[in-house]
Amino acid sequence: GAVVSQHPSWVICKSGTSVKIECRSLDFQATTMFWYRQFPKQSLMLMATSNEGSKATYEQGVEKDKFLINHASLTLSTLTVTSAHPEDSSFYICSARDVRASGNYEQYFGPGTRLTVT
Amino acid sequence: DAKTTQPPSMDCAEGRAANLPCNHSTISGNEYVYWYRQIHSQGPQYIIHGLKNNETNEMASLIITEDRKSSTLILPHATLRDTAVYYCIVRVAANFGNEKLTFGTGTRLTIIP
Repeated sequence: GAVVSQHPSWVICKSGTSVKIECRSLDFQATTMFWYRQFPKQSLMLMATSNEGSKATYEQGVEKDKFLINHASLTLSTLTVTSAHPEDSSFYICSARDVRASGNYEQYFGPGTRLTVT
Repeated sequence: DAKTTQPPSMDCAEGRAANLPCNHSTISGNEYVYWYRQIHSQGPQYIIHGLKNNETNEMASLIITEDRKSSTLILPHATLRDTAVYYCIVRVAANFGNEKLTFGTGTRLTIIP
């Protein structure tokens, strides 16, 4: 089946530093990847849609200059949390769409990255 | 996309069938019903989806009412590993540009030994 990986699985960083999270589709190519954020005991909230070779589309209320998304290849998208603060501590999850899929299909989710900012 | 309503929590005895309801009374004719689940501290896992016919796969069955205003996800023989939050999502067919999945609060299903 389709597998999506994320790296790192967890990270602790100091306030003011930047953190990069990678999302990879391991056995398929993904023209579109999605980044979600999940705070404790809450549901997933879509942050942005990442399309290979073009700028990401951010959801309302998500700061594009703070959450930098790069989708340089069909198998890799990265999310960089710049100048992280404790309120950015969260569970970040990516998902990907198989480029061969057409019509109705499901998204495949990564295992998530837990970010803790101290 | 249409909104969904699910009970916040449910318990089910191990080995029994778990029936998880979902109301989607404002669903449009071109919207599908999707079910995902999220085991603690993991990414969501796709379970099943359907439009108007009942669907079954190796994980679950999906029963959609004739008026499509509600559906039920059935896990036929629940195990402890089925303890998770289950999300019911309705969405138009995924074509480029409208693949967004909007997650609600879901149902926290606890399987009791």
